[in-house]
Amino acid sequence: TQLLEQSPQFLSIQEGENLTVYCNSSSVFSSLQWYRQEPGEGPVLLVTVVTGGEVKKLKRLTFQFGDARKDSSLHITAAQPGDTGLYLCQGFHAGNNRKLIWGLGTSLAVNP
Amino acid sequence: DTEVTQTPKHLVMGMTNKKSLKCEQHMGHRAMYWYKQKAKKPPELMFVYSYEKLSINESVPSRFSPECPNSSLLNLHLHALQPEDSALYLCASSQDSSGTGNTIYFGEGSWLTVV
Repeated sequence: TQLLEQSPQFLSIQEGENLTVYCNSSSVFSSLQWYRQEPGEGPVLLVTVVTGGEVKKLKRLTFQFGDARKDSSLHITAAQPGDTGLYLCQGFHAGNNRKLIWGLGTSLAVNP
Repeated sequence: DTEVTQTPKHLVMGMTNKKSLKCEQHMGHRAMYWYKQKAKKPPELMFVYSYEKLSINESVPSRFSPECPNSSLLNLHLHALQPEDSALYLCASSQDSSGTGNTIYFGEGSWLTVV
């Protein structure tokens, strides 16, 4: 199964620090979603980006879609313990393939 | 209301049991999905229903049998499972199964333990 390269895979930081998670691919995506998942729960959609160069903000979270729509980043400012969870990116290939591609996930732990 | 409801939340079953997982959405979505997820891994697609017809089966063993009684409901029938089938099973839905920016909404999942 083709995957988005998501990094880092694991991240443990102190409360108040900043962090960035990356999703990269050699393929172009029609859209890309970021999800956050807590243990034992389903993924919760954070954002959908569809336009190259698009930047979306959700409180302390900033999402960027690369100009060529091959990559995306999630930046968290002043992380809090409540940000702890598994962050997943998911890209959608339009065209004949019409495939949804997942990153492997970033497991984030924010320590008080 | 972006809600996908799954029941039960937890299920423990023996290898000879027959059980079912249920999923419901009332967003008017025409595509519904079953995913399997192991701890700290991304969800793995199992089945896709589009307009109540099975459109994708990702080579899932026949001990998993999906059913879509109508556009709002999706079931996953389980029979003769193995301990390695223990996982979080996620139901999801989207407006349809194609199209740019087609966002998938997930339920909270059903934790399945096979003993």
